[in-house]
Amino acid sequence: DAKTTQPPSMDCAEGRAANLPCNHSTISGNEYVYWYRQIHSQGPQYIIHGLKNNETNEMASLIITEDRKSSTLILPHATLRDTAVYYCIVRDPGGVQGGKLIFGQGTELSVKP
Amino acid sequence: GAGVSQSPSNKVTEKGKDVELRCDPISGHTALYWYRQSLGQGLEFLIYFQGNSAPDKSGLPSDRFSAERTGGSVSTLTIQRTQQEDSAVYLCASSLGLAGGQETQYFGPGTRLLVL
Repeated sequence: DAKTTQPPSMDCAEGRAANLPCNHSTISGNEYVYWYRQIHSQGPQYIIHGLKNNETNEMASLIITEDRKSSTLILPHATLRDTAVYYCIVRDPGGVQGGKLIFGQGTELSVKP
Repeated sequence: GAGVSQSPSNKVTEKGKDVELRCDPISGHTALYWYRQSLGQGLEFLIYFQGNSAPDKSGLPSDRFSAERTGGSVSTLTIQRTQQEDSAVYLCASSLGLAGGQETQYFGPGTRLLVL
């Protein structure tokens, strides 16, 4: 079972920031938070990941709370092409789940003009 | 650079036939993963390889499913005696390694399998 909870859907106006929340209250110390997205009919696309510090790359920013029980993915200026299902996944690379990613249902983000 | 590629992109087969799905990982990636996504369902893990070995086959749904990887590169997922419930998108991913900052998985476009 997925170890994260995300809202099933969200809307965002084009050009505004999209803030996607994720709860992972049972996260362990060695588990990273990963974000992927899946645009319709395509394979999942890696966005960003982090352990405890906030991270930023060319696609997004990841804000992880100090207790690590939740995080927020921020798309600073959403475009129509950001419409997708966004998955938040926790994973311990060296843990018992090994190499696999366990996907939940994700958040379906709709960016509207 | 080239990403993960999969072939065929679409496959239609008849119930009871065998199918082979191919995955070419990113060059230099030692780990390779298979997932599937059924209509309206989430992505479920099937199997992963580190090199040519498969440490975790726990997601294979039945003994009709098998996978192999040779030469630490290309992998083939074989489904024998296909059933209609096997209809899904089969996704392949690869990563540089399994840990130490090398574990990020990059996905291919998938193979859409339809069993009639």
